[in-house]
Amino acid sequence: GQQLNQSPQSMFIQEGEDVSMNCTSSSIFNTWLWYKQDPGEGPVLLIALYKAGELTSNGRLTAQFGITRKDSFLNISASIPSDVGIYFCAGQLTGTYKYIFGTGTRLKVLA
Amino acid sequence: GAVVSQHPSRVICKSGTSVKIECRSLDFQATTMFWYRQFPKKSLMLMATSNEGSKATYEQGVEKDKFLINHASLTLSTLTVTSAHPEDSSFYICSATDSGSTDTQYFGPGTRLTVL
Repeated sequence: GQQLNQSPQSMFIQEGEDVSMNCTSSSIFNTWLWYKQDPGEGPVLLIALYKAGELTSNGRLTAQFGITRKDSFLNISASIPSDVGIYFCAGQLTGTYKYIFGTGTRLKVLA
Repeated sequence: GAVVSQHPSRVICKSGTSVKIECRSLDFQATTMFWYRQFPKKSLMLMATSNEGSKATYEQGVEKDKFLINHASLTLSTLTVTSAHPEDSSFYICSATDSGSTDTQYFGPGTRLTVL
């Protein structure tokens, strides 16, 4: 199946550091969603982006919908140990209800 | 708001048996629900789109006779894995979109299926 290119694949960071991850595609999307998944759980929605260029924050999280509608990034500021998990982007294909998921970024925070 | 539940959370079955997984939207109506499969340390792969009152739309390579989907109401979709085999063991996750709102998908907690 289709997947979005998400990078980095994994990262180790120190507590307190800022984190940045992004998703890119050759396809245009209507909506970008960012999720966090803990082991054995379903993904939890973090941020939803509906317009090209939109910049949205949710606490320490900030995400932007790229102007070209082909990419998005997620930033986490001042990381804490509970930020550990896998982060997925998801883009909604134009003209459908379907979403394509990124390959995931596995984040590990060192206290 | 926007809570999606799944039942059971874990199921272990013998090879050859069928397993039904339920997905419910608890506080909203969902015209469309989605079923995903996730292998360890991998991303979510869309299996099918479940539409209330009509036949599900399956992704390429997903056997519709193997994975039966029923979306009989605006709050319930079921996935039945028929004649399960060990290779069907996986993490199955459903999601739902709020009919009266945007196309944001809300996920259930997932069901871990183990076929012996």
